Amino acid sequence: AQSVTQPDIHITVSEGASLELRCNYSYGATPYLFWYVQSPGQGLQLLLKYFSGDTLVQGIKGFEAEFKRSQSSFNLRKPSVHWSDAAEYFCAVGARAGGTSYGKLTFGQGTILTVHP
Amino acid sequence: DADVTQTPRNRITKTGKRIMLECSQTKGHDRMYWYRQDPGLGLRLIYYSFDVKDINKGEISDGYSVSRQAQAKFSLSLESAIPNQTALYFCATSDARGDVRTGELFFGEGSRLTVL
Repeated sequence: AQSVTQPDIHITVSEGASLELRCNYSYGATPYLFWYVQSPGQGLQLLLKYFSGDTLVQGIKGFEAEFKRSQSSFNLRKPSVHWSDAAEYFCAVGARAGGTSYGKLTFGQGTILTVHP
Repeated sequence: DADVTQTPRNRITKTGKRIMLECSQTKGHDRMYWYRQDPGLGLRLIYYSFDVKDINKGEISDGYSVSRQAQAKFSLSLESAIPNQTALYFCATSDARGDVRTGELFFGEGSRLTVL
């Protein structure tokens, strides 16, 4: 079965600092990978996704993520954090067509990002 | 208007009461899902439906039931609510058509349920 681990429950950074949120997954083949963001009181918005090709994926709001097969990781990065980035971030893994879990996403536990002025 | 609409957005109820959360979508997607969010646990899948005649249990279906009334409507019921079902519930959809079927989910804004 697929699974996702986000090792950091809560991260605090200063505005303007760089950010890296970690995500490790378990899946028997190359999965589909996603990062979603949830602002307070809001639903989940897709930041970026990886399904094939270039392992460095660009998303919205200046975020990027890198798929590293050898490390089973899909870490999210941003070079300079803005106060509006304060939110909860979720990594998710999905199976490709033909996989037994195809069509379902499995989410990590989430990482809460606090941004200090 | 939102593509995925959940009602009610907030609900407080008492133990033992029957509760229904409703979801409707205008995205034309075949697949619909109900997830539950708890602090520190992320989102966990309750039920999912790949089309109107297809209903499947997720990882935490006990105590819940669902109904897919139409392609655009998917409701979640708690037959007899209990306090540990207090959570934020999300409906989501995905598109199974096309060459790139990544399983990307599109979420509603959530329904916060409190069971006293």
